[in-house]
Amino acid sequence: SQQGEEDPQALSIQEGENATMNCSYKTSINNLQWYRQNSGRGLVHLILIRSNEREKHSGRLRVTLDTSKKSSSLLITASRAADTASYFCATDAQDSNYQLIWGAGTKLIIKP
Amino acid sequence: EAGVAQSPRYKIIEKRQSVAFWCNPISGHATLYWYQQILGQGPKLLIQFQNNGVVDDSQLPKDRFSAERLKGVDSTLKIQPAKLEDSAVYLCASSSSGNHNEQFFGPGTRLTVL
Repeated sequence: SQQGEEDPQALSIQEGENATMNCSYKTSINNLQWYRQNSGRGLVHLILIRSNEREKHSGRLRVTLDTSKKSSSLLITASRAADTASYFCATDAQDSNYQLIWGAGTKLIIKP
Repeated sequence: EAGVAQSPRYKIIEKRQSVAFWCNPISGHATLYWYQQILGQGPKLLIQFQNNGVVDDSQLPKDRFSAERLKGVDSTLKIQPAKLEDSAVYLCASSSSGNHNEQFFGPGTRLTVL
């Protein structure tokens, strides 16, 4: 069964705007990761945030984690056409043998 | 560093036929994963190998799916016989013992069962 649920399912914004995607999960985790998937490059790891961290940055990406609410958000600032892709959160639940449980993804479209 | 290789990239078969997918992980990566991704959904883990041993295959439909990683390097996933609902992208991923958290994915094999 899927652990994470991304919200919204789809998001369409103008190039240059910021995009925010949310992820909720059900069980206690060791860490949460965000991946991007587009037709050209497959699934690519973006960023990992550990359960004892609250915020993390990587370039134009900002991830927050609220373990009390079992939720995370991914913010992409100054969006570009190349950011058009599906974004997935994946959780590494405690005692899971490093398995990742995935949400259904948010489809992001950046309009030029 | 070469990435995860998968073949074929596309496969079209009729129901009840057999199909096999191949994966070569990143050199030195001990852990290999096979996922099934149905259109509009996230990846679903089918089986996880650590070297040539199975760590978890609880979500593998064993009546029709099988996988092996005999020498602890490349792996094959087989479906026999295929059903219409097996139409999906089959993704292979690998991770290193030093960093299980980041998985590196291959381009996937898109399977269409008619």
